[in-house]
Amino acid sequence: EAQVTQNPRYLITVTGKKLTVTCSQNMNHEYMSWYRQDPGLGLRQIYYSMNVEVTDKGDVPEGYKVSRKEKRNFPLILESPSPNQTSLYFCASSLTGEGYTFGSGTRLTVV
Amino acid sequence: GQSLEQPSEVTAVEGAIVQINCTYQTSGFYGLSWYQQHDGGAPTFLSYNALDGLEETGRFSSFLSRSDSYGYLLLQELQMKDSASYFCAVRDVRRDDKIIFGKGTRLHILP
Repeated sequence: EAQVTQNPRYLITVTGKKLTVTCSQNMNHEYMSWYRQDPGLGLRQIYYSMNVEVTDKGDVPEGYKVSRKEKRNFPLILESPSPNQTSLYFCASSLTGEGYTFGSGTRLTVV
Repeated sequence: GQSLEQPSEVTAVEGAIVQINCTYQTSGFYGLSWYQQHDGGAPTFLSYNALDGLEETGRFSSFLSRSDSYGYLLLQELQMKDSASYFCAVRDVRRDDKIIFGKGTRLHILP
């Protein structure tokens, strides 16, 4: 089944403890992207990648890192999480840069 | 700057037709996309308009007018399962292909 898989689905962590949210797609898509979704603010792009080893900042990149060493994987790294990074995170991929397929989401709480 | 404006909420009756508008302020983008998101779920891609005009996919249609900086999503024969949030989105060529989403329109359907 064609899909974007992100893990974990739920995560509660403490301020400052490094964490990684994994994202993998099995559709051989070139484009991958991370979003956060907050009430009243909609979906905001954190980072995106148009190909292996090519990553660019979205609108809200502060406090996040990504890497794209392989086409299928695009992990999101929070080196030192803070409470303002409590949010719902989505990974997504696309063949053309339009029409993204989204993962199921990761609900992150930083206390 | 760039923004996409959508109404925050729309209410319609089951079986009726509803139009969700999206106006935007950007001079360079590839096309307009629409996504649906049910409560607790991930966004799912509905449609993409690269060219001006109407694109029809079953009960859903999407329209784009670049000269008017305007697009809409039209939902016909509304069903209760169409109760969801709907987002318009563009990929901005003048901002390194960043994806910008509108804040979403919550569609309420009355029986």
